[in-house]
Amino acid sequence: AQKITQTQPGMFVQEKEAVTLDCTYDTSDPSYGLFWYKQPSSGEMIFLIYQGSYDQQNATEGRYSLNFQKARKSANLVISASQLGDSAMYFCAMREGENSGGYQKVTFGIGTKLQVIP
Amino acid sequence: AAGVIQSPRHLIKEKRETATLKCYPIPRHDTVYWYQQGPGQDPQFLISFYEKMQSDKGSIPDRFSAQQFSDYHSELNMSSLELGDSALYFCASSYDSGFTDTQYFGPGTRLTVL
Repeated sequence: AQKITQTQPGMFVQEKEAVTLDCTYDTSDPSYGLFWYKQPSSGEMIFLIYQGSYDQQNATEGRYSLNFQKARKSANLVISASQLGDSAMYFCAMREGENSGGYQKVTFGIGTKLQVIP
Repeated sequence: AAGVIQSPRHLIKEKRETATLKCYPIPRHDTVYWYQQGPGQDPQFLISFYEKMQSDKGSIPDRFSAQQFSDYHSELNMSSLELGDSALYFCASSYDSGFTDTQYFGPGTRLTVL
């Protein structure tokens, strides 16, 4: 079974509008971490936001927020006030188990390609 | 702020040749990860090192080996290269703070095997 599911292969959003990128995950481990990364066409992988499984509040980082619904096992990324520079591939990812000892490999979803329209 | 450094950024090799990719983690980060991202695919975990010891292993071919040195930099050695090894190779580093374990990725090495 897929551990990370991103069902939107591509999304369009108008500049200055908000957009939500969907992510659901599957794990039986009570301790896990969820991440969103941005990969522009240049190829680098840029960390955006992190949510721990025990965090009570949704994570926010500037224009990025993570809508964490633990019971539904979803971790959607919300980008507010989209900018042209937000056009990129966005990956949802998960680390399972305790975050120590070098066993924190991350499993990625297949990504969502976001295009911001002027 | 200092980021993860990878070299070279681009590498072109012939089939059956060898390649060495280098990674310099963010200072004070104690864990290094290697990922392989094929064209149009998501990154796949290869191998990780914690405090210079191999800690976890993913879908890394036997033709590949890696190590982490005393200065925490890591090298991924790839032998008998195949066309299918053409990919973007990422190194990521993290610090085991016990609270968060965000992996920060380097810019990647784009390997092309001809």
